This record gives sequence, C-alpha cells and structure tokens, in this order.
Amino acid sequence: EVQLVESGGDLVQPGGSLRLSCVVSGITFKNYWMSWVRQVPGKGLVWVSRINVDGSSTSYAESVKGRLAISRDNAKNTVFLQMNNLRAEDTAVYFCASSRYDISTGYLGPFDYWGQGALVTVSS
Amino acid sequence: SYVLTQSPSVSVAPGKTAKITCGGNNIGNKNVHWYQQKPGQAPVLVVYDDSDRPSGIPERFSGSNSGNTATLTINRVEAGDEADYYCHVWDGGSDSWVFGGGTELTVL
Repeated sequence: EVQLVESGGDLVQPGGSLRLSCVVSGITFKNYWMSWVRQVPGKGLVWVSRINVDGSSTSYAESVKGRLAISRDNAKNTVFLQMNNLRAEDTAVYFCASSRYDISTGYLGPFDYWGQGALVTVSS
Repeated sequence: SYVLTQSPSVSVAPGKTAKITCGGNNIGNKNVHWYQQKPGQAPVLVVYDDSDRPSGIPERFSGSNSGNTATLTINRVEAGDEADYYCHVWDGGSDSWVFGGGTELTVL
C-alpha cells in the first residue's frame, strides 16, 4: 500500500517559520518527482513547488519564491517544505504528491499519489 | 505563465452524461490529467495522459484532448460522482505544474 504522510502543520504568527515533512512508503521514492500543492479551504488546488528525483532541480510558484524551499532525503523517503516569512495568505492545507519520472524516456507522470494534507494557519 | 480555464460548475441528472471542459492555449500539445476531490479528502487521479485511466477507476470516466480544449466525460453519472474536478498539466516552458480552477459537479 502506498502512503504519503504529512506532518508539521501548525498555527504560526506572520513572519514565522514552519517545516513540513512528507514520509513516503510503498513506492520507489527515488523514481518520483515530488511536489507540494496547497488549498485554501473552499478554494481550488494550487501547485507550490516541485523537486526532481535526486534533489538537483527545484521550481516554485511565483507567490512563494524566496520564502519557501523544497528538499528531499532519499535515504529517508522524505520530502520537506521549509516555509519562512509566512504570510496570512499562506494559510492553507498543504498536500504532498508524487509523480513518476522515467529517466530513460523523460516521461513525467501525473500526481498519482497524494498525502492527506497538513493544515498551516498563519495568524496573530 | 500557462493558464487553464474551467467552468465553475456543471449539473447533471443521474444516469446522464457529464462533460467537464478545460481550456488552455494549445492544450492539445500537452498531457492533461484529471483529479476528483470530495470534501475533506485528498484529490484522486481519475484520468491521466489525456485519456488513460488508473486501475480502479470505472470505465465511465474518459478523457479527450485536442486543440485548445480538454474534456473529462463521465457516463451514467451516479450520486457518488458528485465532487470537484480539476485538470492539470506540466508546463515545461515555465517549469511549473498548473491546475485549472476546478469544476463542481452536482448530481441533481
């Protein structure tokens, strides 16, 4: 059974920091790009960041560039999202999601597995 | 950056066919994925690479993609299909994933 389990969600004051973790099991982690997606309750899905299979390449949505940082530890099957200088508009449920990458063909798959989400609330 | 446009809502009677569209500039040149999300739950992949279904997804779900529009079709709609549906693509030009705004499917 594939499981993605997020942790680290919390209430934090504006300007504060938080680190989300997502532990993955049931898949060959090193074969998957990983992403973070957020969703304000009642609103749509918004992609936040992604990291490639070995962590050598990352990208971010414009709204979070310079404040959020994605990383991974393939030895621990874990992806992280370091969140700094948090703003009220960062309040959301944060999902981690996996997409298979075939290095031989360059094929990048859909978000086939998702975590259950971690709630981040930024408020004073 | 690349933009995907979905109608906010679609309503359909049980047993009928629902079509949910996703518009984007030359989206026919991209692989489109579709997710179903029910309240309080994580999204679930229902169609990938325009028209393929993951294992466990009923054949009632199908997809197509051409020109500037991708379409998710749900045949013989059931009450349990009531959910939000999102289209999704990888935009290599901006090195980013993009979601549509989502379509709320209501089963009458």
